[in-house]
Amino acid sequence: GQQLNQSPQSMFIQEGEDVSMNCTSSSIFNTWLWYKQDPGEGPVLLIALYKAGELTSNGRLTAQFGITRKDSFLNISASIPSDVGIYFCAGTTSGTYKYIFGTGTRLKVLA
Amino acid sequence: EPEVTQTPSHQVTQMGQEVILRCVPISNHLYFYWYRQILGQKVEFLVSFYNNEISEKSEIFDDQFSVERPDGSNFTLKIRSTKLEDSAMYFCASNRGGNEQFFGPGTRLTVL
Repeated sequence: GQQLNQSPQSMFIQEGEDVSMNCTSSSIFNTWLWYKQDPGEGPVLLIALYKAGELTSNGRLTAQFGITRKDSFLNISASIPSDVGIYFCAGTTSGTYKYIFGTGTRLKVLA
Repeated sequence: EPEVTQTPSHQVTQMGQEVILRCVPISNHLYFYWYRQILGQKVEFLVSFYNNEISEKSEIFDDQFSVERPDGSNFTLKIRSTKLEDSAMYFCASNRGGNEQFFGPGTRLTVL
């Protein structure tokens, strides 16, 4: 079945550093979305991407929809302690609204 | 800002018992979804629901599962005879169509 692989699996960074994570698939996706999940809570939408090559920002977050439609990355600039959490990519393919979720990147920020 | 709400936040049940998880989607949304997340794993799609019928379901969503929109506001997931492996977080999501789904806070189901 379709899978989304995220890397890195986890990362520890110092407060103030920039973070980059990505999501790749062997299949083409029509939409890429990035969510953040805090412990014991539901995923919260950060950024949605709809077109190949699209680059979108939301505050300190920037995400891009890969040209091949098989990947996406998320950057976080000047990280702060509340950036801690698990970041999931999700995608949809043609003819369906169901999300395929990635494996997640666990981010820890050291103050 | 409108939110998806879910009750209960935590449900503990004995194996073989029936459980109903409840969701109130955002009021003007038309598409409703259930996902589950086994502890430490990724979020997995279960079912989507539109116009009072299931529009898509995954292989996880077998005959033990059912969904219902009993009135204009609630959306429920029923598990008829729970198994140990049904223990997970269950998330409801909704949208108006398009691709930005909004998730509820989840119900943690523990099957003993």
